[in-house]
Amino acid sequence: DAKTTQPTSMDCAEGRAANLPCNHSTISGNEYVYWYRQIHSQGPQYIIHGLKNNETNEMASLIITEDRKSSTLILPHATLRDTAVYYCIVRTNTNAGKSTFGDGTTLTVKP
Amino acid sequence: GAVVSQHPSWVICKSGTSVKIECRSLDFQATTMFWYRQFPKQSLMLMATSNEGSKATYEQGVEKDKFLINHASLTLSTLTVTSAHPEDSSFYICSAKGGAFGQGTRLTVV
Repeated sequence: DAKTTQPTSMDCAEGRAANLPCNHSTISGNEYVYWYRQIHSQGPQYIIHGLKNNETNEMASLIITEDRKSSTLILPHATLRDTAVYYCIVRTNTNAGKSTFGDGTTLTVKP
Repeated sequence: GAVVSQHPSWVICKSGTSVKIECRSLDFQATTMFWYRQFPKQSLMLMATSNEGSKATYEQGVEKDKFLINHASLTLSTLTVTSAHPEDSSFYICSAKGGAFGQGTRLTVV
């Protein structure tokens, strides 16, 4: 699996959009970009994933650059409950579930 | 969507005893499951890949005789921490092919 680089921490004001970047410059053509988050003492929660097109679901939007070397997870209206560690992972779908986790970004949403 | 359930969510055991953690796929069959370990303030580290009907595959540095994995059915994988020591205290998490993760099990060895 390709290595990813994320900022260690970010703050966001409640109600504002949270934009979490991820660099994955060595991503392969068949690797997807996945985002998970982990709230303290819980298992990782799936957020969204994509291959090359931008994706949106009820939780977030995923913007992938044209060269696929980086992406941004957007939480459109952050709430206090969005405070968590966010992990960006790149992997194929062949063994989805087997993931190499980096250190992630600790997002703190402040009132 | 795919749901993976772990049990127990937390356990405290005495040093030298063994502890079994269960990982179940609730609404799908999982021929492959994955076990991770997470120490405080660290990221998840893959320990092993659990294969239904065959031996588990362990990552480098993980003792297969200490962390016994059994995947006897298409919906259940178990991780047994044998002769547990305080340094085995950690958060253990399973996932299934498809990317669903369990809730995690907090193991404390005293």
